[in-house]
Amino acid sequence: EVQLVESGGGLVQPGGSLRLSCAASGFTFSSYWMNWVRQAPGKGLEWVANIKQDGSEKYYVDSVKGRFTISRDNAKNSLYLQMNSLRAEETAVYYCAREPGADNYMDVWGKGTTVTVSS
Amino acid sequence: QSALTQPRSVSGSPGQSVTISCTGTSSDVGGYNYVSWYQHHPGKAPKLMIYDVSKRPSGVPDRFSGSKSGNTASLTISGLQAEDEADYYCCSYAGSYTPYVFGTGTKVTVL
Repeated sequence: EVQLVESGGGLVQPGGSLRLSCAASGFTFSSYWMNWVRQAPGKGLEWVANIKQDGSEKYYVDSVKGRFTISRDNAKNSLYLQMNSLRAEETAVYYCAREPGADNYMDVWGKGTTVTVSS
Repeated sequence: QSALTQPRSVSGSPGQSVTISCTGTSSDVGGYNYVSWYQHHPGKAPKLMIYDVSKRPSGVPDRFSGSKSGNTASLTISGLQAEDEADYYCCSYAGSYTPYVFGTGTKVTVL
């Protein structure tokens, strides 16, 4: 079964750091672009970042550039999001999502991990 | 990059059809045939319903269809069923450096 499972969420103070992980199974992880998408409480989905199969290309939404870093370990079938200098408005459920081939959409999603930024 | 504009809510009775619009610009929806739609039940993983404007992944009922005209994409749900009640988000490719922009989301209510 194709599956993505996020972990690493929790409560962090404003200005703090957190590292999210996404464990992939049931498919050849190294063949896919991977994404992080978030949803703040009562808000819509927001694309955060993505990374190419070999990690050589990474893209971010403007609001997180310089603070968040997306990375992957293909040997461990894992995707990561290092989040630094967190802000209260970044409280959200963070989802990882698979992006197949050359087409631009996300076909498999995890159930998400909750990040709460609060003092 | 601003979020794509969707109606906040739409509703219909079982068996009826509803259409959700998704309005962007020539830099996203109008510029590429890469619009996708996602169904999201609270607390669950979002589910891909439509990709490349009008293609359906295997397993998605043919009651779901997508189209695009200019800067506006649309998702139509025909023969509305109770399990279709959910939030729906459009998403468009928006270029190399900010690849994706999502819509504001639409709550579909089955009366």
